[in-house]
Amino acid sequence: KNQVEQSPQSLIILEGKNCTLQCNYTVSPFSNLRWYKQDTGRGPVSLTIMTFSENTKSNGRYTATLDADTKQSSLHITASQLSDSASYICVVSKAPYSGAGSYQLTFGKGTKLSVIP
Amino acid sequence: NAGVTQTPKFRILKIGQSMTLQCTQDMNHNYMYWYRQDPGMGLKLIYYSVGAGITDKGEVPNGYNVSRSTTEDFPLRLELAAPSQTSVYFCASSSKGPGLGAYEQYFGPGTRLTVT
Repeated sequence: KNQVEQSPQSLIILEGKNCTLQCNYTVSPFSNLRWYKQDTGRGPVSLTIMTFSENTKSNGRYTATLDADTKQSSLHITASQLSDSASYICVVSKAPYSGAGSYQLTFGKGTKLSVIP
Repeated sequence: NAGVTQTPKFRILKIGQSMTLQCTQDMNHNYMYWYRQDPGMGLKLIYYSVGAGITDKGEVPNGYNVSRSTTEDFPLRLELAAPSQTSVYFCASSSKGPGLGAYEQYFGPGTRLTVT
């Protein structure tokens, strides 16, 4: 079964500290992996998209890594700010040549990050 | 540039009532999607469309209907609302299918629906 598991479920860190969120997936065959940020009461916003050949991608203070061999990804947040408080969702898409539709995405349940002063 | 807009933001329905959730995008995207997000769960695909006049079921289509008469609009219809349809609904769009490559998917702000 195609699954995306995220850990931890929730995390509280002090402002200015770094943190790393984890994502393990079983989706196969793999096309790409996405990290989204979802503020409370808002829609998800894309942070990064990584394809099979990419193992690191940065977007400002956010750096995502991908190990397609072990089917693991991480999102590292540097020098956290209060505005980083949100849910972070890992999403994996299946390669359409597998017979899956190109529209298919498997969403993780998210990690809820709280940054406190 | 508004992106993806949804109306209404909030709605309370009684069991058995019907309603339409509106979704509009101004990016000329071919692909549009409806998802629901239940507390503590990942987003689930309800219906999707790959272009005007073409729609298909996702993972959880029961109790819903869609139409796509224009590129911009993708309304979601709830018939005979049930408490199990209490959720937050998100509309999204992309230029191409996300499985085809690094095509961004843009989400609307969501509609919070309660059925009592």
